[in-house]
Amino acid sequence: SQTIHQWPATLVQPVGSPLSLECTVEGTSNPNLYWYRQAAGRGLQLLFYSVGIGQISSEVPQNLSASRPQDRQFILSSKKLLLSDSGFYLCACTTSGRRYYEQYFGPGTRLTVT
Amino acid sequence: DQQVKQNSPSLSVQEGRISILNCDYTNSMFDYFLWYKKYPAEGPTFLISISSIKDKNEDGRFTVFLNKSAKHLSLHIVPSQPGDSAVYFCAASAYSNSGYALNFGKGTSLLVTP
Repeated sequence: SQTIHQWPATLVQPVGSPLSLECTVEGTSNPNLYWYRQAAGRGLQLLFYSVGIGQISSEVPQNLSASRPQDRQFILSSKKLLLSDSGFYLCACTTSGRRYYEQYFGPGTRLTVT
Repeated sequence: DQQVKQNSPSLSVQEGRISILNCDYTNSMFDYFLWYKKYPAEGPTFLISISSIKDKNEDGRFTVFLNKSAKHLSLHIVPSQPGDSAVYFCAASAYSNSGYALNFGKGTSLLVTP
């Protein structure tokens, strides 16, 4: 079965600083990968998705970007953080075959922008 | 535009009783529905799913019911246990350019009291 790793687990960054969050997946190949954000008191919002290396689509315009340099690596970045970027960031994947619509989530990264 | 709605932000149930969590959706193109359980500071854990061509799916103590005409689904937990206390997210998917990206409700916080 798949395992999703995310790091760091928690991060406190000042406004205007850069950001890099990493997600790696084990146990499956050629997954679809997703970045979600859960802001305080809100549900899960899809930010980016990727169906393959170098293929990134954005769901919500913002100052964040994503990259997929390898099949099982997904990176979320920002050049200058805003206060509104605070939240819980989750990486998810779908596995090949089986029930392809089921998404599995990593442990998340808690980002606080001060 | 919130396509998946969980109108009850919280629910409290006694141990051993039935917990019923509700979810409504607006998009008739959704073809899979999923329930996730989430503890604080952790990623959501997949619980159970149902295809739009079915009206019931059961897995142990968890049963999901789908009423397509009403665009409504519910998750039943019987019997409820204190360890079930968590936030439950309803999610729905339809195939799009993002693969099977999920639309999430805002969650219902379940508290099971001894």
